[in-house]
Amino acid sequence: EVQLVESGGGLVQPGRSLRLSCAASGFTFDDYAMHWVRQAPGKGLEWVSGISWNSGSIGYADSVKGRFTISRDNAKNSLYLQMNSLRAEDTALYYCAKATVTSLVYWGQGTLVTVSS
Amino acid sequence: DIQMTQSPSSLSASVGDRVTITCQASQDISNYLNWYQQKPGKAPKLLIYDASNLETGVPSRFSGSGSGTDFTFTISSLQPEDIATYYCQQYDNLRLTFGGGTKVEIK
Repeated sequence: EVQLVESGGGLVQPGRSLRLSCAASGFTFDDYAMHWVRQAPGKGLEWVSGISWNSGSIGYADSVKGRFTISRDNAKNSLYLQMNSLRAEDTALYYCAKATVTSLVYWGQGTLVTVSS
Repeated sequence: DIQMTQSPSSLSASVGDRVTITCQASQDISNYLNWYQQKPGKAPKLLIYDASNLETGVPSRFSGSGSGTDFTFTISSLQPEDIATYYCQQYDNLRLTFGGGTKVEIK
């Protein structure tokens, strides 16, 4: 059974940093691209970042480019999101998701990031 | 960046009604268009991939069509358990964009 478990969320002050992790199991992790998607309270889905199976291709939403860094450790079956210079508008539930070519087939339950002083 | 315009933003329909949601891309995306269902407090669930393919285990009352820039998602006979928000999503070489969502309610 595919499982994606996010962790690392919490309350952080504006301008500070946070690192999210996603532990994957139940599939061959290094066969698949992975993505981070976020959802602000009461709002829609926003794609944040994606990374190919071998980290050779990476993409970011314009809203996080230059502040967030996605990475993965295939030996540890883990996906990461380093978030720097956090802003109030980054407050959201952050999901990691397993990609199958063009779609997001499996999603975790999310980890909540709250940016507030 | 490719923008996705989804409409309507909300709708109310009766059980058994046919429900249609549209999504328009700002440029040609071929058939790289997916549809998700999200119920309150839950993660999104993939329903339709590559514009018209039904994900395994998804009821056949859900369907999708379209290519290029214009896409349609249909629930042929709305059921009470279909109450949710639906999102379209495009794929462009590891860069994704979601539509704004359509909240479906029972009249």
